[in-house]
Amino acid sequence: EVQLVESGGGLVQPGGSLRLSCAASGFTFSSYSMNWVRRAPGKGLEWVSDINSSGSIISYADSVKGRFTISRDNAKNSLYLQMNSLRDEDTAVYFCARDRSGGCSGGSCYPGYYYDMDVWGQGTTVTVSS
Amino acid sequence: QSALTQPASVSGSPGQPITISCTGTSSDVGGYDHVSWYQQHPGKAPKLLIYAVRNRPSGVSNRFSGSKSGNTASLTISGLQVEDEADYFCSSYRSSNTFWVFGGGTKLTVL
Repeated sequence: EVQLVESGGGLVQPGGSLRLSCAASGFTFSSYSMNWVRRAPGKGLEWVSDINSSGSIISYADSVKGRFTISRDNAKNSLYLQMNSLRDEDTAVYFCARDRSGGCSGGSCYPGYYYDMDVWGQGTTVTVSS
Repeated sequence: QSALTQPASVSGSPGQPITISCTGTSSDVGGYDHVSWYQQHPGKAPKLLIYAVRNRPSGVSNRFSGSKSGNTASLTISGLQVEDEADYFCSSYRSSNTFWVFGGGTKLTVL
């Protein structure tokens, strides 16, 4: 069964740090780009960061740039999100998600590749509060 | 990085059809056939419903369909069922330094 399981969430004070993990199973993790997406209370989904299959190409939303770091360990089938200098507005459920854009570039995709996220974890809750 | 525009809420009765719109720009929805739709029940993971504007993944009911006209994409649910009550999000590729953008989400209520 294809599965993503997040962990590492919790309560942290403003300015603090947390490291989220996402364990993948049931598919060849090293072949896929991966993402972190969050949903704050009462808000919609917000893309946070992505990383390509080898870890060589990374991007971040402006709201987290310079504070969050995405990484992966393909030998351990794991994705990570190091979150520093946390703010109240970072409070959210954080999801890891697999995307199928590995064969895409500049909006064009080879057959069988798509700009979508086809597998999601159940999420881990991060609460930033004093 | 403004979100795509969706209605905050829609409602319908069992058996009726409903449509949810998703409006963007020529840099995202209007410029590429990379619109996807997700369903999220409370406390659950989002689920991919539609990809590449109009394609359904295996296992998704054919009551769900997608389309696009200009800068606006649409998700139509025919024959509403009680279990369709959930939040729905659109997403699109965007030609910028960050490729992913989501809509603000639409809460569907089945009356």
